[in-house]
Amino acid sequence: GESVGLHLPTLSVQEGDNSIINCAYSNSASDYFIWYKQESGKGPQFIIDIRSNMDKRQGQRVTVLLNKTVKHLSLQIAATQPGDSAVYFCAENKNQGGKLIFGQGTELSVKP
Amino acid sequence: DGGITQSPKYLFRKEGQNVTLSCEQNLNHDAMYWYRQDPGQGLRLIYYSQIVNDFQKGDIAEGYSVSREKKESFPLTVTSAQKNPTAFYLCASSRGTNEQYFGPGTRLTVT
Repeated sequence: GESVGLHLPTLSVQEGDNSIINCAYSNSASDYFIWYKQESGKGPQFIIDIRSNMDKRQGQRVTVLLNKTVKHLSLQIAATQPGDSAVYFCAENKNQGGKLIFGQGTELSVKP
Repeated sequence: DGGITQSPKYLFRKEGQNVTLSCEQNLNHDAMYWYRQDPGQGLRLIYYSQIVNDFQKGDIAEGYSVSREKKESFPLTVTSAQKNPTAFYLCASSRGTNEQYFGPGTRLTVT
């Protein structure tokens, strides 16, 4: 069925390195994508979003890349810090109002 | 402070009892959502409401019920018909099709 999936369930990086978290989506009709960060026991926090008419969007230390040809989404975190340790979820909006379809999540672990 | 509040943070119930989880927002958002999250997994949509007095089933609505009598409030009732109710429940709201803002969650344990 239609789904948003992640390539890697866990990612471990050294503090100061860049992190790349990947996400595959299956619905070419999706027009909006979003990344969330979830710390243990808390609700997800918005990180960055991108619409399908864009390929790249940058925020503070984060960049989202969208490749519609291969239906791939990635989140890049520059100079990863211990506070970035969390589970990261991508989600897509299949142009069905506000409904979002969430992926399984990638756990990012930052080693000091 | 603007935001979404969920209460209580932790909730314990005996099997066979209905329980209602609270979700309130003062962001003036039209749409509200309920998700369930199991350990190590993503979020699954239970119910959502795009306008007051209207709501739709999500992917896993069986055993749950909701109401949307006020724009600010979207309570979720976990009924005794829900076979595996122990989970982390998250409420969210949004303005149109933009990003959803999440509450802190309620961890429900049913024994």
